[in-house]
Amino acid sequence: DAGVTQSPTHLIKTRGQQVTLRCSPKSGHDTVSWYQQALGQGPQFIFQYYEEEERQRGNFPDRFSGHQFPNYSSELNVNALLLGDSALYLCASSLLDRGNYGYTFGSGTRLTVV
Amino acid sequence: DAKTTQPPSMDCAEGRAANLPCNHSTISGNEYVYWYRQIHSQGPQYIIHGLKNNETNEMASLIITEDRKSSTLILPHATLRDTAVYYCIVAMDTGRRALTFGSGTRLQVQP
Repeated sequence: DAGVTQSPTHLIKTRGQQVTLRCSPKSGHDTVSWYQQALGQGPQFIFQYYEEEERQRGNFPDRFSGHQFPNYSSELNVNALLLGDSALYLCASSLLDRGNYGYTFGSGTRLTVV
Repeated sequence: DAKTTQPPSMDCAEGRAANLPCNHSTISGNEYVYWYRQIHSQGPQYIIHGLKNNETNEMASLIITEDRKSSTLILPHATLRDTAVYYCIVAMDTGRRALTFGSGTRLQVQP
């Protein structure tokens, strides 16, 4: 049973560019959450998608946006990249009503902004 | 969600029990204690959770004090593969709320 799949695994972008990261949730999961993890810190919540709508959002600017598709997969878009956006971006899938123990995380996309 | 406090790092000898503490003095009555861990270059992995009773599964045991203001995650026989960052999270038991990660405890299991 495949877990959460994220692509690409690594990415290098130039300041000011735009980037799209992709996530395929674990089979049977309907909710996707995105986290940003800077080096040496814990993951920080960006937003959560359920039924193709953004349901919750963390303290991130509008440069961060997302989308969820009918097959539950999701994209994270970041516009006008800053050097500070360099981080590991994690996708987590879950069943909305299962509880906080049901999160399955992918291995992340390492984004480097130069 | 209630704030948690964990030591930044701990060492443990291979084969011995690893006891990871967590303080959550502002926990409310409907909040659970969750433990996740993150092995290098991987995403966080769920370990165990509990409300007020002690819990055990194939990975670990969770001991919650009677006043619920602190808890301890116990890995009974630590192996080198248990080297990771361990996160203690307090939250209501619903997938409708995001997980709030702190800085966690970096556990180094020594051979």
